[in-house]
Amino acid sequence: GESVGLHLPTLSVQEGDNSIINCAYSNSASDYFIWYKQESGKGPQFIIDIRSNMDKRQGQRVTVLLNKTVKHLSLQIAATQPGDSAVYFCAENMRGNNDMRFGAGTRLTVKP
Amino acid sequence: DSGVTQTPKHLITATGQRVTLRCSPRSGDLSVYWYQQSLDQGLQFLIQYYNGEERAKGNILERFSAQQFPDLHSELNLSSLELGDSALYFCASSVAAGELFFGEGSRLTVL
Repeated sequence: GESVGLHLPTLSVQEGDNSIINCAYSNSASDYFIWYKQESGKGPQFIIDIRSNMDKRQGQRVTVLLNKTVKHLSLQIAATQPGDSAVYFCAENMRGNNDMRFGAGTRLTVKP
Repeated sequence: DSGVTQTPKHLITATGQRVTLRCSPRSGDLSVYWYQQSLDQGLQFLIQYYNGEERAKGNILERFSAQQFPDLHSELNLSSLELGDSALYFCASSVAAGELFFGEGSRLTVL
């Protein structure tokens, strides 16, 4: 079946470095994508979103890139901080569908 | 604080029992979503309601059911519980299809 998945289940980076978390999706009809951050013991929190008519969107220290040709989504975090340590999920939504489907998640660990 | 309230935060029960999880969405949000998250797993979509009506269904077991009430709060009923039902159950709300606001989750432990 169609699904959203992640290339790397874990990622460890040094504080101050840039982080890149990847996500592959297989539903070419998906037109809206969101990255969520889930800290331990908490619910997922919205980080940034992007629609399929864009290929890049920037937020504060975060950038999402969308490559529709290869159905790939990435989240870049600049100057990674210890507070960025969390599990990151990508999620996709297909136009006309009401549900948001999540990928498996990547655990980001920031070393001081 | 996302504005989504879930109760109870923790629940321990035995196999074969039935539990009800409650969710109050953010003020003004008409959509409520339920997700299940097993240990170190992703979020599995269960079901979505919009203004009292079921809108989308995911991998929800027949032993599970949900409803959204006129005041927009929602309940997820889990019956004939099995050990494998132990998980975090998240509720999320949104104005429409788009950014979801998640509650803190209800941790269910089935012994």
